[in-house]
Amino acid sequence: QKEVEQDPGPLSVPEGAIVSLNCTYSNSAFQYFMWYRQYSRKGPELLMYTYSSGNKEDGRFTAQVDKSSKYISLFIRDSQPSDSATYLCAMRGPNAGGTSYGKLTFGQGTILTVHP
Amino acid sequence: NAGVTQTPKFQVLKTGQSMTLQCAQDMNHEYMSWYRQDPGMGLRLIHYSVGAGITDQGEVPNGYNVSRSTTEDFPLRLLSAAPSQTSVYFCASSPSPRVPPLHFGNGTRLTVT
Repeated sequence: QKEVEQDPGPLSVPEGAIVSLNCTYSNSAFQYFMWYRQYSRKGPELLMYTYSSGNKEDGRFTAQVDKSSKYISLFIRDSQPSDSATYLCAMRGPNAGGTSYGKLTFGQGTILTVHP
Repeated sequence: NAGVTQTPKFQVLKTGQSMTLQCAQDMNHEYMSWYRQDPGMGLRLIHYSVGAGITDQGEVPNGYNVSRSTTEDFPLRLLSAAPSQTSVYFCASSPSPRVPPLHFGNGTRLTVT
């Protein structure tokens, strides 16, 4: 079983829809959670970075973390065709010590298409 | 300010050949890392470095070597290429290992025949 599971999709929605992207994980040591966006033929770019359980909002994007359920989500409001990309969740353990220091574990990525 | 620059963009190798993938950043970032991306597998960490002279293994280090002689450069060497190393390789950097990778290069697409 993979440490991080992400539905690969593809996910296709009309412009203006609310998009929900999700990841589950099995390693309870994970403390930091990230979402990256990757356009075709490009490197990933960091969208959201959260530490604790709860919600973090940045414009049209909201990251949600539920550590008790080992479940994270990214919501995109008022989706735009420019949001069409692959979305990758990533997570890692504590900052100090341990073999997980600085190492990210990624989900498989979800391909999103937003139709005009 | 160029960010993270990877060269080459594309490469085809024959089994058994060796090559070096180049990665350079101009942001004076301490932390640099190499990932490979395969369909259905996400990104997997190969090697990383927390500063010049310091490197360590990631999740899938076998068949790869790295060195970090300067802050700016972090080359990845394939010692004897195998078809299983066909992948897209990304280099990333951030100011410290406490910060997730902020800047990725645009990747090197490697095919081993």
